Amino acid sequence: AQSVAQPEDQVNVAEGNPLTVKCTYSVSGNPYLFWYVQYPNRGLQFLLKYITGDNLVKGSYGFEAEFNKSQTSFHLKKPSALVSDSALYFCAVRERGNYGQNFVFGPGTRLSVLP
Amino acid sequence: DTEVTQTPKHLVMGMTNKKSLKCEQHMGHRAMYWYKQKAKKPPELMFVYSYEKLSINESVPSRFSPECPNSSLLNLHLHALQPEDSALYLCASRGTGNNEQFFGPGTRLTVL
Repeated sequence: AQSVAQPEDQVNVAEGNPLTVKCTYSVSGNPYLFWYVQYPNRGLQFLLKYITGDNLVKGSYGFEAEFNKSQTSFHLKKPSALVSDSALYFCAVRERGNYGQNFVFGPGTRLSVLP
Repeated sequence: DTEVTQTPKHLVMGMTNKKSLKCEQHMGHRAMYWYKQKAKKPPELMFVYSYEKLSINESVPSRFSPECPNSSLLNLHLHALQPEDSALYLCASRGTGNNEQFFGPGTRLTVL
């Protein structure tokens, strides 16, 4: 079975500093990995994905993530945080397989960027 | 059009009411999903439709009834709900050429 862990409920960072939001996963085969962001009372917004190829993935709004197969991790990073990055971040995994197969979401990490 | 729309944005209903949530996408996606999300929690999968056929039902109570009338539309029919069913209901879609899901803005449901 697939699972995703986000070990930190909350991450606080000062504006302008680099940020990292951690994600580890467990799948029996090869994973597809995703990061989504959710602002209050809104749907989830896609940030980036790892499917195959280069382990460093660049996404929207200056975010990037590094796939590490040996550590089964997919941490989200940004070199310089903005106050507007404050939101709830979800990591998700989908195992390669049937077209309709579901995604599994992590519990979420609340990011607060302090001015 | 790269958007998933959901109506209504907000819905308040009594426990004896019947109502429906609607989701629409015009991206040609053939997988569509319903999720339930409680505050500060991850989305919980309810149903998956693949090529207009129900492929996953995550043991959802029968008071929730999904329907996929065509490849662009997904409905969730609600009947005799309980107050604990109050949540944000999210619709998502995914295309064969994509791996990520595209989410709608959600319907905030309150059951009195």
